[in-house]
This record gives sequence, structure tokens and C-alpha cells, in this order.
Amino acid sequence: GESVGLHLPTLSVQEGDNSIINCAYSNSASDYFIWYKQESGKGPQFIIDIRSNMDKRQGQRVTVLLNKTVKHLSLQIAATQPGDSAVYFCAENKGNAGKSTFGDGTTLTVKP
Amino acid sequence: GAVVSQHPSRVICKSGTSVKIECRSLDFQATTMFWYRQFPKQSLMLMATSNEGSKATYEQGVEKDKFLINHASLTLSTLTVTSAHPEDSSFYICSARVRASGGGGELFFGEGSRLTVL
Repeated sequence: GESVGLHLPTLSVQEGDNSIINCAYSNSASDYFIWYKQESGKGPQFIIDIRSNMDKRQGQRVTVLLNKTVKHLSLQIAATQPGDSAVYFCAENKGNAGKSTFGDGTTLTVKP
Repeated sequence: GAVVSQHPSRVICKSGTSVKIECRSLDFQATTMFWYRQFPKQSLMLMATSNEGSKATYEQGVEKDKFLINHASLTLSTLTVTSAHPEDSSFYICSARVRASGGGGELFFGEGSRLTVL
């Protein structure tokens, strides 16, 4: 069936370290994948996306890697800061309909 | 960036009453908006796609008569939870997509509306 799931529900890192959040997906027909950040009591915030024909995309302090062979997506956050503490969701989109199917979420905690 | 506003942010109502939640795109036009539901410590579940000027498209398992969606203009979609019951208590979030030339996936989300049904 169609699903987007995450390997680990929680991740704790030291401030300044790099963080890697992983995601597995099962629908190989997805056109692109997105990472969202959700702070407590707020709506999700777009971080970065990557199209299915790409392997890597970099943003400001973030990098998304896509491995279509093993259907794996990861988000790398460089020099993690306390403000990065949140729940991170990967999501997949098909076509230009715009709706996202969300994974379960990983809670990132940054220790000072 | 684009802004999506939801109102109210919190609402408490008695069982059996109806509650309306508004979702507005403040600085762009959104022909399509999406309504999600999120339970504590869980992921977002898509409820329906709201289409301007036409009927909403509901996901499987979502009751159309329970969750009424109206998208009367390019900047406003409303979700009405009818005859609310305690199990409807949840965090409801709307989103809208800014049209992108590259067909990218950036969705802008509202701040969410927390509904508590007593």
C-alpha cells in the first residue's frame, strides 16, 4: 500500500552537531518529496523539497538526499541549533495536485 | 512568503453544536486548499481537498456530512464540524499551495485550529 514512514520517532543531538532525520517511503510513483518542520501548537512549515529525478538538494543549513533504489529520504541539518527543536515530517506528493501524504514524524530535541 | 491564516486558533464547544473554522490566504489566491486533521503526537491526516467554486473532494473514511467544506472565494475556505462530539476534538490545519512555475511542492499551512468538544 501507499505509505510514508520514518525510521526513528525521536532524535536528540547536541547543539552544534549535525542532525540526520530519515524517512522511508513505499510509493515509487511519487513526483516529489518534502520535509516539513512543525513546532508545538503550530502548523507545519515547509523546509525543502526534492523532485523524484534528483538525488540531492541543498538549502540553507539543510540538505535533502533521495535514494530511489532503497526508497529512502533523509534530511540533514548542519550545526543544529536549539531553534531546530521540533517535529519533522517527510511527505510525498504526486502530480501537481498539491496535497501531501505525511509520514509519522520525528521529534528532534537539541540539547544546549 | 505566502501567509495562510486560520480562525479561530482555539475553540471549545458543547457536544452537539457546530463549529466553523476559516482558512484564508492573505496575499495570494488559492484555487485549492487542503484540510488536515492531527491528533496529539500523530501525523497529519488529509481530510479533504477544497476546490474554489466546486465541491470538495474528501478522502476515504471522512464523512462529508460531518465535515462541511465551502470554498466560496479564491482566498477563503471554511470547514464546519457539524454536531460535534468529543471524538471530533483535534487540531485542524488548512494549507494552500502557491502556484509555482516549476510545479514544486511548497504548501503554506495555517497555524491550526484546536477544537475541544465537551
